[in-house]
Amino acid sequence: GQQVMQIPQYQHVQEGEDFTTYCNSSTTLSNIQWYKQRPGGHPVFLIQLVKSGEVKKQKRLTFQFGEAKKNSSLHITATQTTDVGTYFCALLNRGTSYGKLTFGQGTILTVHP
Amino acid sequence: AAGVIQSPRHLIKEKRETATLKCYPIPRHDTVYWYQQGPGQDPQFLISFYEKMQSDKGSIPDRFSAQQFSDYHSELNMSSLELGDSALYFCASSFQGYSNYEQYFGPGTRLTVT
Repeated sequence: GQQVMQIPQYQHVQEGEDFTTYCNSSTTLSNIQWYKQRPGGHPVFLIQLVKSGEVKKQKRLTFQFGEAKKNSSLHITATQTTDVGTYFCALLNRGTSYGKLTFGQGTILTVHP
Repeated sequence: AAGVIQSPRHLIKEKRETATLKCYPIPRHDTVYWYQQGPGQDPQFLISFYEKMQSDKGSIPDRFSAQQFSDYHSELNMSSLELGDSALYFCASSFQGYSNYEQYFGPGTRLTVT
C-alpha cells in the first residue's frame, strides 16, 4: 500500500524559532492528515488536506499540500513550549475500508525555553 | 465532550498469557479502529469495525482477535502473549458522516509483557 516518509526524525529548537516537518510520497495522495501526540499522550487530529496546492492555517500552524499531491508540510511559527510533541502525517485509506490511517514515522519536536 | 474510553490503562502480563483490552467509542460514532504503537514508533493499524462488522484488517497477528458488540464497544483479545507485544494500544473512533473523517483516539492501554 501507499506509504509516506516524514523528515526530519527529530528537531530541537529554541522557543520562538520556527519549525517545519515534511511528508513525502512517491505516489499521488488522495489526502493527508496531520496529528500531534504529546509525550505520554495519544494522537490528536489537527487537519486534513485534500486539494492540490491547499494551504490551511490554524493560528501559528500552517499546513500545505503540494501541487502534485505527493508532499505535505506543517510549519509552526514562533514555537512555544506547548508545541512539544511528535507530529505525524498520515494517509487516510478509504479505498476499500472505512478510513484506516497509515502514519509517517513522525517528527519529534523539542522546544528549549 | 465525551471522549473515547479505554480500559485498562495499564496492563502487565507474562509471556503466553491472555489479555483483553476494551474500548468505548464516542457516542454515535459508527467506526472503531485499533492501533498498536511500539516504543518510538508510529501507530500501526490493526483492525477496524464499521457498524459492528469487521471492515479492514492490518498487520494483526493471528493470535489477536477483536469484535464490536451491540452497544458499539469493542474488545481486542490477545493470546499467547510475546515480549514483542509490549506496546501502547490505541482505540480510535469516527463517524463516517464527518467530511474530514477525523479519528478520535483514546488514551491508550499500555501493555507490558514480562
